[in-house]
Amino acid sequence: DTGVSQNPRHKITKRGQNVTFRCDPISEHNRLYWYRQTLGQGPEFLTYFQNEAQLEKSRLLSDRFSAERPKGSFSTLEIQRTEQGDSAMYLCASSLGGRTYEQYFGPGTRLTVT
Amino acid sequence: AQSVAQPEDQVKVAEGNPLTVKCTYSVSGNPYLFWYVQYPNRGLQFLLKYITGDNLVKGSYGFEAEFNKSQTSFHLKKPSALVSDSALYFCAVRDMVSTGGGNKLTFGTGTQLKVEL
Repeated sequence: DTGVSQNPRHKITKRGQNVTFRCDPISEHNRLYWYRQTLGQGPEFLTYFQNEAQLEKSRLLSDRFSAERPKGSFSTLEIQRTEQGDSAMYLCASSLGGRTYEQYFGPGTRLTVT
Repeated sequence: AQSVAQPEDQVKVAEGNPLTVKCTYSVSGNPYLFWYVQYPNRGLQFLLKYITGDNLVKGSYGFEAEFNKSQTSFHLKKPSALVSDSALYFCAVRDMVSTGGGNKLTFGTGTQLKVEL
């Protein structure tokens, strides 16, 4: 399968702990996006990379959140000092860029903060 | 700021009947519109997009969508629904003021489609 993959698929953590999620985009895609989805809502944009450069961050992305894409391939999203409000599905998407506008999503990582 | 609205939380249709899932949008400039489908515990799957050209766009799994500029709508349609089409459907619009040259999407709240035998 050559789609977008995300690990882990599920993460349960206690409030105050740090968590890190990984996303592997489709190999030839140079653009990578992170979204967050809560129950009953559509995905909300968090951040965007073109190759290794993080070019945009949402106001939703508090100082506790950090994302990297060190070699322009996989990306990690870290949440420090998790709070119960961080419980959500974290979705990664990638796209080819240029005039290809559609994004292809991974299966998501479901985070539960207890 | 751009936005999309999906006025129906749920749509129920009988298998074999045509289905419509509604979406209206608000953007400045020409809209780039998308439909995605989400099955339980899975990510979103791209169905189709409208960028320019013919107002009727065809996508995956027999779905199509009609772009109507005067009504600012982009309704998803299928001539004959299948039980396997039951899922959560999201309409999205490209953010036209995205910084950094990205194509971030703004999504609606989703419409649950239920196709019954």
